[in-house]
This record gives sequence, structure tokens and C-alpha cells, in this order.
Amino acid sequence: SQQGEEDPQALSIQEGENATMNCSYKTSINNLQWYRQNSGRGLVHLILIRSNEREKHSGRLRVTLDTSKKSSSLLITASRAADTASYFCATDYNNDMRFGAGTRLTVKP
Amino acid sequence: DVKVTQSSRYLVKRTGEKVFLECVQDMDHENMFWYRQDPGLGLRLIYFSYDVKMKEKGDIPEGYSVSREKKERFSLILESASTNQTSMYLCASSLVSSRDEKLFFGSGTQLSVL
Repeated sequence: SQQGEEDPQALSIQEGENATMNCSYKTSINNLQWYRQNSGRGLVHLILIRSNEREKHSGRLRVTLDTSKKSSSLLITASRAADTASYFCATDYNNDMRFGAGTRLTVKP
Repeated sequence: DVKVTQSSRYLVKRTGEKVFLECVQDMDHENMFWYRQDPGLGLRLIYFSYDVKMKEKGDIPEGYSVSREKKERFSLILESASTNQTSMYLCASSLVSSRDEKLFFGSGTQLSVL
């Protein structure tokens, strides 16, 4: 069953704008991960944030985690058309990993 | 680079057929997983394996079985394919000794059961 729920389900922006996706979850976690999926392909790991961390950066990606609110956000800065994909959060608790249904991001050139 | 290879990109089968989906990883990972992905439902875990010949049921094992005879290979078997098993199937692997388990995915197999 799903653990994380992404919001919004779909997001459409112009190239150069920032994209923010949110993930809410219900139970305890060891870490939370974000994955990206290009249309019809497998998922690719983007970034992992541990339960004792509040913020993490990787290139144009910024992830925050608020364990008191059981939520996380993924920010993609200066988006590009190539960022068009679906983005999934996954919560990991004792190696039990659960995925949300994803946010479909479209970046228009 | 880590590689997870799924044997077929697209597969079309008939109702009642026995279907084999193969997955091979080249990273010496202990854990391997089979997920199915359906629109609006995200990824749902079918089975996983943490060692050769070991398997554990995930959330939706009904109608499926798995085989792991070698560490690098994890097979998903649909004993008697049905139309409701039409889906995208994703294989993944991970290193059990890693403190934070990161999954490496194959490219997926889009299965259509007619």
C-alpha cells in the first residue's frame, strides 16, 4: 500500500521557473527518498534525506523534511525541458520502502 | 555503473498463459524486488528477495510467484496470466549492507494480457 502521497498530481511550468513538489506520509521513517521516472522507463534515484536531517541539496535539487508534520518537499530550481518527468517520493522504514503515486512535471520550453 | 536489466521492454500474452519476466543485476546486490506500476496507484511491491532461494511476499503477491536461483537473477512468474495483470513491471535491486537502502531500477516491462 502507498505510504507517501505527492501533491500536486500534476504540475506545468515554464522553463527557468522553479518547481516544488510535496510529499506527505503517515508513519515513522528512517529516510525519505525522491526518484524520477521518464515516460515509460524505470525510476532513477535522485536524493535521500535521513529522518534526522532537515534539508539536503544536490545540484539544482533541494529537499526538505519536516518529521513533525510528516512531510517533505522537492524543489527543482531553474527548471529545464529535460526535467519533464514523474517524480516519486518513497519512505523507508526498516527497509520497508513505500512509494507514492507521483507528481507529473511538465516543463514547457 | 550499476545495471539492472529486464529481459523484455514490451510483452503481449494471452489470458491463461504462463509468463516469465526476467531481471538481472550486475552489482552483486543481495536484495531484489518486483513492483508493478499502475496509473494513480504508484508502485506496489509484489515480491522481494534478500538472498538466493529466499523470497518474501509484498503487498500484492496473489497470482504471482518468484524464483531466485542465482544472486544476480530474479524472475517473476505469472502462473496463469489474467487481463488485470496488464501493467508495467519494474525490477529493482539494492545493497543490504548499505545503511540507507537506495533502489536501482530496470527500465521496466510493459505487459499486456489479452
